[in-house]
Amino acid sequence: KAGVTQTPRYLIKTRGQQVTLSCSPISGHRSVSWYQQTPGQGLQFLFEYFSETQRNKGNFPGRFSGRQFSNSRSEMNVSTLELGDSALYLCASSLVQGAYEQFFGPGTRLTVL
Amino acid sequence: SQKIEQNSEALNIQEGKTATLTCNYTNYSPAYLQWYRQDPGRGPVFLLLIRENEKEKRKERLKVTFDTTLKQSLFHITASQPADSATYLCALDGDDKIIFGKGTRLHILP
Repeated sequence: KAGVTQTPRYLIKTRGQQVTLSCSPISGHRSVSWYQQTPGQGLQFLFEYFSETQRNKGNFPGRFSGRQFSNSRSEMNVSTLELGDSALYLCASSLVQGAYEQFFGPGTRLTVL
Repeated sequence: SQKIEQNSEALNIQEGKTATLTCNYTNYSPAYLQWYRQDPGRGPVFLLLIRENEKEKRKERLKVTFDTTLKQSLFHITASQPADSATYLCALDGDDKIIFGKGTRLHILP
């Protein structure tokens, strides 16, 4: 069974731009969660989608948004990029809602210049 | 304030010994707690989940305990090997979202 895939793996943007990251979960998994990982703050929860609905949201500004499609694939969008948005963005999938026993993708490394 | 803390940023253990990692939390009442392993440049890998009504859980050389009175989970790796060197993260469900600790970097010395 194929693992969680994320595209692109690396991305360089400038301040003020927007970015869209993509995540394909493990086949059969209906929950997709997104995380931001930085050396200073560690792994921080952004949001979780289950059956195309956002179920939980972390403490991030409205510039961070996401969606999930009927095939469970998910996208995350960050608008008006700031330097502090530079991070590793990880997507994780699981069978059920609630971020149990998650399978993580390799991440997208975003650099904002 | 609510906090989840892993006791040390880094831990050096001699090969063959038992490595014990600690996860403490305050002002949460988690229904479960999870442990993940993360290697450099890769996403975390799920290891074990323990529920609030479980005292201990084992998987091969791994053992996790969960003490809701002490608000603490201990993660043990017995007969440690250099391949066990990685960062280990604990995570709990708090305020309707998952909260991760900052991790402990474990080095198993040959």
